[in-house]
Amino acid sequence: DTEVTQTPKHLVMGMTNKKSLKCEQHMGHRAMYWYKQKAKKPPELMFVYSYEKLSINESVPSRFSPECPNSSLLNLHLHALQPEDSALYLCASSQDEREGFEQFFGPGTRLTVL
Amino acid sequence: AQSVAQPEDQVNVAEGNPLTVKCTYSVSGNPYLFWYVQYPNRGLQFLLKYITGDNLVKGSYGFEAEFNKSQTSFHLKKPSALVSDSALYFCAVRGLHSGNTPLVFGKGTRLSVIA
Repeated sequence: DTEVTQTPKHLVMGMTNKKSLKCEQHMGHRAMYWYKQKAKKPPELMFVYSYEKLSINESVPSRFSPECPNSSLLNLHLHALQPEDSALYLCASSQDEREGFEQFFGPGTRLTVL
Repeated sequence: AQSVAQPEDQVNVAEGNPLTVKCTYSVSGNPYLFWYVQYPNRGLQFLLKYITGDNLVKGSYGFEAEFNKSQTSFHLKKPSALVSDSALYFCAVRGLHSGNTPLVFGKGTRLSVIA
């Protein structure tokens, strides 16, 4: 299995809602990532988990809360989001966090905040 | 600090012609360089990478890239473009021993292959 899966594909939520994005990989990768991507822009790194521990938090607002229950799963919990948080949220994984390993991306979750 | 420049927002090429998408980088030390492609409403797809060794790297779907240390460039090339190559292309870099410094992406270049 050489893919990263993400659910849901689309999500519409109000500013008072709580929702979660899910990501899964079965490639035995030990690093997992959350990115936010606005239209026609490069992905912006949000969080990195390495061996199930939070390694990088790129100064992301606390309304985004990541969780790594095990080495195959990565969640992003959303609460009290703003309309400007509407974007494509991409999950990625790599064999290791070290520099030379390419990242494999999921198809993304298209999030709309009303 | 690490940075990547993709000087062209858009590249147009006729089907069957060779294509080049440009990328220059800046890192401390030796670079690890990557190319990714993104089709509409999809995630990024890994094409190829340069770590060390031969300066000409071959990747997926007939793409290749040439690492040029003196010009700090890593241009993506394909000898004969297909309409299906039309997509958004991202160059990315990380420096050797960069520790917790994340992968840095260029702004992207939209490739349009015209039949």
